[in-house]
Amino acid sequence: AQKITQTQPGMFVQEKEAVTLDCTYDTSDQSYGLFWYKQPSSGEMIFLIYQGSYDEQNATEGRYSLNFQKARKSANLVISASQLGDSAMYFCAMREGMFSGGYNKLIFGAGTRLAVHP
Amino acid sequence: DGGITQSPKYLFRKEGQNVTLSCEQNLNHDAMYWYRQDPGQGLRLIYYSQIVNDFQKGDIAEGYSVSREKKESFPLTVTSAQKNPTAFYLCASSPRQFVSGYTFGSGTRLTVV
Repeated sequence: AQKITQTQPGMFVQEKEAVTLDCTYDTSDQSYGLFWYKQPSSGEMIFLIYQGSYDEQNATEGRYSLNFQKARKSANLVISASQLGDSAMYFCAMREGMFSGGYNKLIFGAGTRLAVHP
Repeated sequence: DGGITQSPKYLFRKEGQNVTLSCEQNLNHDAMYWYRQDPGQGLRLIYYSQIVNDFQKGDIAEGYSVSREKKESFPLTVTSAQKNPTAFYLCASSPRQFVSGYTFGSGTRLTVV
C-alpha cells in the first residue's frame, strides 16, 4: 500500500537560510506523482511543487526545489532563503497511477511544522 | 476568479445533530474530494467523486454521507453516527488528469458543543 512518511514533526530555521524538509514514500507503482503543499495557520492548502516519477530533472518553483531520489524513494523539499512568511505546516503527498486514467487520489504525510526565526 | 468555496468557515454542532458542510467549485473540475484533518495530523480522505451521481468511500467514511447531484457541488453531511466529528474539513477538486495537484477550499472547522 502506498505510504508517505515525514519524520520531522517540527523544524526551525533562521531567516534567509535554506532548509530541507524530508519525505519518503512507499509505492509499488512505476508511475506516480509527488506533491508538496503549504498550510498556513489560516488553514488553506497551497500547492507548492510537483515531481513526476519519470521526470529526470528535479522540479523547481522559485525558492522551492524538490530533491528527488527515486532509488531511495525520497522527495525532500528544499526552501532557499527562508522568509518569515514560510512559517507553516508542510505536507508531502503522493498519487499513484499517473497514466492509468483513473481518479487521482492523493495520500498525505503527517506534515512538518516549519518555524522561521528572524 | 475560479476556485472552491467552502461554507461555513466555523460550525458548531450539538450532540446527536446532523450538519451539512457546503463545497462549491467553478473550475469545471470532474473530481471532488473531502478530507478530514485533526490537530497536528495529516489529511485523511472521507469521500471522493469522479463524476456526477457517483461517489466512493475513502479511508474514514463511517458517520459521513455525500451527494453529487451537480458537477459544481459536493456537500458533506456529518451524521450523528460520527462519534468524534470535531475536526477541520477540507474540500478539494481536480481535473480528471492532472499534474498540478488539487485545488483546495479554505476549510470548515467543525466543533461539537
